[in-house]
Amino acid sequence: DQQVKQNSPSLSVQEGRISILNCDYTNSMFDYFLWYKKYPAEGPTFLISISSIKDKNEDGRFTVFLNKSAKHLSLHIVPSQPGDSAVYFCAASGETSGSRLTFGEGTQLTVNP
Amino acid sequence: NAGVMQNPRHLVRRRGQEARLRCSPMKGHSHVYWYRQLPEEGLKFMVYLQKENIIDESGMPKERFSAEFPKEGPSILRIQQVVRGDSAAYFCASSPRTAYSNQPQHFGDGTRLSIL
Repeated sequence: DQQVKQNSPSLSVQEGRISILNCDYTNSMFDYFLWYKKYPAEGPTFLISISSIKDKNEDGRFTVFLNKSAKHLSLHIVPSQPGDSAVYFCAASGETSGSRLTFGEGTQLTVNP
Repeated sequence: NAGVMQNPRHLVRRRGQEARLRCSPMKGHSHVYWYRQLPEEGLKFMVYLQKENIIDESGMPKERFSAEFPKEGPSILRIQQVVRGDSAAYFCASSPRTAYSNQPQHFGDGTRLSIL
């Protein structure tokens, strides 16, 4: 039962353009959502989060949007930089899932110079 | 990922041996989580511990796997009688408080376990 899904295994964008990574969830009890970036042979690095009481959170080049009715969140990176090339995971947690994070399968972002 | 320290980074074991993976949380963090990542998959939750207590082990296989977080020292994930299917990257994360307070978990660089 995949409760968090990232339907795009990969995404390629040009440097300077916007990258949009998408994530869907099925568990309506999730109320806290996070995005992590992961380079090969390293652990996930926390990027940005959003709680269900908000629909947008912004931190520098990164913005996360949450659409609760659609059970959908997205991460916007603008402008994209070659160093942003990595695997991006969305994750979710909620009261019924306790403190554990449920991760999507990840999206490989490649930013071309 | 400085802060959460995991060792060893790579561990090779033969089938039937024991594997011990260690995790020291970030300073000031008393909540530790273990996740496993199989090839081409996302991270899957295994267990959540606070000092001397297992809070949630709903993701742990019923046999051969155990975890502890003693009062002194690192958290240990122990796998007995390893099999080929245990080959994976094992990540530890820590947080200062539980996710109920909407605190992000911070991850170590993982232990890559290979079973021959």
